Amino acid sequence: NAGVTQTPKFQVLKTGQSMTLQCAQDMNHNSMYWYRQDPGMGLRLIYYSASEGTTDKGEVPNGYNVSRLNKREFSLRLESAAPSQTSVYFCASSWDQETQYFGPGTRLLVL
Amino acid sequence: QKEVEQNSGPLSVPEGAIASLNCTYSDRGSQSFFWYRQYSGKSPELIMFIYSNGDKEDGRFTAQLNKASQYVSLLIRDSQPSDSATYLCAVNVAAGNKLTFGGGTRVLVKP
Repeated sequence: NAGVTQTPKFQVLKTGQSMTLQCAQDMNHNSMYWYRQDPGMGLRLIYYSASEGTTDKGEVPNGYNVSRLNKREFSLRLESAAPSQTSVYFCASSWDQETQYFGPGTRLLVL
Repeated sequence: QKEVEQNSGPLSVPEGAIASLNCTYSDRGSQSFFWYRQYSGKSPELIMFIYSNGDKEDGRFTAQLNKASQYVSLLIRDSQPSDSATYLCAVNVAAGNKLTFGGGTRVLVKP
């Protein structure tokens, strides 16, 4: 099992460009999450999907959209990237909505 | 006041000593508590969870929960240089379906 996979591993964008971060899990988990991590800020929840077909805002949803494509896949879209969105993005999944398993992360730099 | 607070460190510990990490949380309704370890440049990995007051031991790690005082701690016995990492405390605030993370405590184990 690959666990939680994320693509791309690293991306550089110019201000105003758009992109989609992909996440997939092969553990048959119901819940999936997107976090961003900035120095000294810990992990902050952007959006989550408690189950297939549902999505909810987390702590810092502004500037992002998500799609729960199916049970395995949960994507995060930046419609118009801003330098403030420079961060490391982690996807996570969970069977019981508590114990979460993380992907390797995507490092995003917005110039 | 942040919902989950940790001392950012660094906590410097001699090899073989006990490292003691603390985490406080603000919501008395919190039910579940997690400790994650994150090596530099890597994703968080779950090391322990605790639900009930008291101690829970797993190898060299012991989690301690005191709901009345609203804190959870992690002890690392016989600390090794490989334990040098950032330790993240996470709390399932108000028994919802998402976790709130603290900012993390950086631990340095010196040979």
